[in-house]
Amino acid sequence: KAGVTQTPRYLIKTRGQQVTLSCSPISGHRSVSWYQQTPGQGLQFLFEYFSETQRNKGNFPGRFSGRQFSNSRSEMNVSTLELGDSALYLCASTEGGDGPQHFGDGTRLSIL
Amino acid sequence: DQQVKQNSPSLSVQEGRISILNCDYTNSMFDYFLWYKKYPAEGPTFLISISSIKDKNEDGRFTVFLNKSAKHLSLHIVPSQPGDSAVYFCAASDNYGQNFVFGPGTRLSVLP
Repeated sequence: KAGVTQTPRYLIKTRGQQVTLSCSPISGHRSVSWYQQTPGQGLQFLFEYFSETQRNKGNFPGRFSGRQFSNSRSEMNVSTLELGDSALYLCASTEGGDGPQHFGDGTRLSIL
Repeated sequence: DQQVKQNSPSLSVQEGRISILNCDYTNSMFDYFLWYKKYPAEGPTFLISISSIKDKNEDGRFTVFLNKSAKHLSLHIVPSQPGDSAVYFCAASDNYGQNFVFGPGTRLSVLP
């Protein structure tokens, strides 16, 4: 079975731009969660999608949004990028949303 | 305020000895805990879990201990190997596997 795939692996943007990150979960997994990892902060939960619906949401501003498609693939969008958005963005999937998550290798976003 | 804390940012251990990684939490509603390992440029990989009905779970060289009264859990790796060098994240859930809260991580270095 293929693992969780995130594209692109690296991205460089400037302040004020917007960005879209993509995540393909493991086949058969219907839950996709997104995390932001910054040094010293661990993984901060952004949101979780299950069967195309946002089921849980973390404490991030509205500039961070996401969606999930009928094939369970998910996208995350960040608008009006700020320097502080520079981070590793990780996507994780599970079959039903419970238990250990399977992570992708992340998208490293750098804001100049 | 961090609900899951890993107070040691880094730990160095000699190969063959025991590595003990600690994690403290503040939310008494957490009922499910996980440990993940993360290598550079890769996503976190699930290691071991424990639910609040147990105080110990063992898987090969890895053992997790849970002390609910102290709101503390620890991961023991015996014997430590150079390949164990990675960042270890503790994660907790109050909904049996949903909405995980991650600690900031501890970087373990196993010296040959």
